[in-house]
Amino acid sequence: AQKITQTQPGMFVQEKEAVTLDCTYDTSDQSYGLFWYKQPSSGEMIFLIYQGSYDEQNATEGRYSLNFQKARKSANLVISASQLGDSAMYFCAMRERTGNQFYFGTGTSLTVIP
Amino acid sequence: DTGVSQDPRHKITKRGQNVTFRCDPISEHNRLYWYRQTLGQGPEFLTYFQNEAQLEKSRLLSDRFSAERPKGSFSTLEIQRTEQGDSAMYLCASSFDANSGNTIYFGEGSWLTVV
Repeated sequence: AQKITQTQPGMFVQEKEAVTLDCTYDTSDQSYGLFWYKQPSSGEMIFLIYQGSYDEQNATEGRYSLNFQKARKSANLVISASQLGDSAMYFCAMRERTGNQFYFGTGTSLTVIP
Repeated sequence: DTGVSQDPRHKITKRGQNVTFRCDPISEHNRLYWYRQTLGQGPEFLTYFQNEAQLEKSRLLSDRFSAERPKGSFSTLEIQRTEQGDSAMYLCASSFDANSGNTIYFGEGSWLTVV
């Protein structure tokens, strides 16, 4: 089974609007971390936001927030007030407490329309 | 620049040749990872070091691949007898701690094209 599932291959959003990128995960660990990365066309993976499995509050970092629904095993990324520079691939990832590697989804390509 | 650096950024090689990539992690990070990413996919785990010890290897890391981190600082990833299927971006990342809350920071990647 896939550890991380991103079901939206591509998304479009109007500049200044908010957008939600979906991510579901699969783990039997009680302790794990969820991450979102941005990958522009240059290739570098840029860390955006982190949510711990025991965190009661949803994580926020500037215009990024993570909508964490533990029972549904979802960790959606919300980008508010989209900017043209937000156009990129976005990857959801998970790290389990018992493992060393990060598991990544297949990504969502976001295009911000002027 | 104190981020993760990778060299070379781009490499074109003929099938059958050997290639080597280098990664310099963030200086205080004791953990180093190699990932491979092909078009349309997310990064796939290859191997992981804690200091100089290689603690985990993926099944993706065939015997043509070897990674080292001799002094617990920089790392090299060598691919011998390259095949066209090796064409991908090779990403290096580093982190400081084993805590699941510590993120990994990636370099800009090394693009490999095997012709």
